[in-house]
Formats: sequence, C-alpha cells, structure tokens
Amino acid sequence: AQSVSQHNHHVILSEAASLELGCNYSYGGTVNLFWYVQYPGQHLQLLLKYFSGDPLVKGIKGFEAEFIKSKFSFNLRKPSVQWSDTAEYFCAVTGSARQLTFGSGTQLTVLP
Amino acid sequence: DTGVSQNPRHKITKRGQNVTFRCDPISEHNRLYWYRQTLGQGPEFLTYFQNEAQLEKSRLLSDRFSAERPKGSFSTLEIQRTEQGDSAMYLCASSSRLDSGNTIYFGEGSWLTVV
Repeated sequence: AQSVSQHNHHVILSEAASLELGCNYSYGGTVNLFWYVQYPGQHLQLLLKYFSGDPLVKGIKGFEAEFIKSKFSFNLRKPSVQWSDTAEYFCAVTGSARQLTFGSGTQLTVLP
Repeated sequence: DTGVSQNPRHKITKRGQNVTFRCDPISEHNRLYWYRQTLGQGPEFLTYFQNEAQLEKSRLLSDRFSAERPKGSFSTLEIQRTEQGDSAMYLCASSSRLDSGNTIYFGEGSWLTVV
C-alpha cells in the first residue's frame, strides 16, 4: 500500500523567506507525485505534478518540487514566499492504484 | 465554469437522517472519485468509478454509504442513518483516461454537519 508523510504540520514564515516543505512517500513501484494547495475557503488546486522525465518540476505561482527517488522524497520549494501563499499544502501520490493518497497536509502561514 | 461541480455545498442534518450529495465531473472525464476530508487531515479516498462501473471502494465506505454513477456522467453519494462521525467535507474529483499523468481535479466539496 502507498502512503505519504508530511512532517511539517504548521510552518510560519515572513514574506520573502524561502520555503521548503517536506514530503516522503512509501511505495516500491512507479509513482506519480503531486502537490495540491487549498487556499482558505477554496477547493484543492493542483500546484504541480511529476510522472516522468526531469525530476525538477516547476509549477504555478513560482513553486517547484524535486523528485529524489533514492530518498522517496518530493519536497516543495519556493525561493520567496508572499502573504498570498498562506494556505494548506498537500502532497499526494498515485501508484498502482488510480486514486490519490494524500499526506496530512502542512499549513503555511506567511506573515506580512 | 467547467470544473467539477458539487451540490449542495453545505448540509446540516439530524442524526439518523439520510443525505445525498451530487457531483458533476468535468465534461468527458470518465473517471470519478469521492473523498472525505476532516479538519486537519488530508482527503481520504472513498470510492472510484470508471464510466458507470464502481471499480474500487475503501474500507472507510461502510454499508451506510452508497455511491452511484448510473449513466457514466454525474454521480451521487448517499449516506443513510447519518452519525455525528460522518460530519466532514465530501469531495468529488474527476480525471480523464486520455491524461497519461492521471491528473485529478477536485470540486469545492460538500460540507456535512450531523447534529
């Protein structure tokens, strides 16, 4: 069975600080990896995804993530956060199953 | 808006009552999913349809829960004899078999409060 761990439950940063959110997955086969964001009062939106090719994936709003197969990791990064990035961020994986398995999420609060 | 549409957006019901949620997926998406999300947690998979066939069901889906997708387009999720523990956000999502990465798009969810 596949599983996802997000170790940071709540991250608080000041504007312009750099961001890195950790994501580790457990699955022995080929995976597709995703980061979703949920802004307050809004639905889950796809930030970026990896399913093959370049392990460094660029997404919307300046976010990027790097797939490191040897570490079973898919960490999310942004060089300089903005107040509008305040949201909950979910890492997710699909393996043999078609459905997504989500981590428990990381709440990011960016202070102006 | 051509995204995934869910209704009602909010439902308050008394314990023991039945509730039904409807989901309209993105047009021509043949795969449809139901998830449940509680505060502070990530969404948990409930069930998956490919066209009208229900192919997977989570152990979370007790016999009080039933989902249908009769014509392979919209879907309904019914909860019978609701319990307070059923209070959650019920999310519908869809994807296309033509997308090799199987990107899954989510609706805004239906909030259920059981009192």
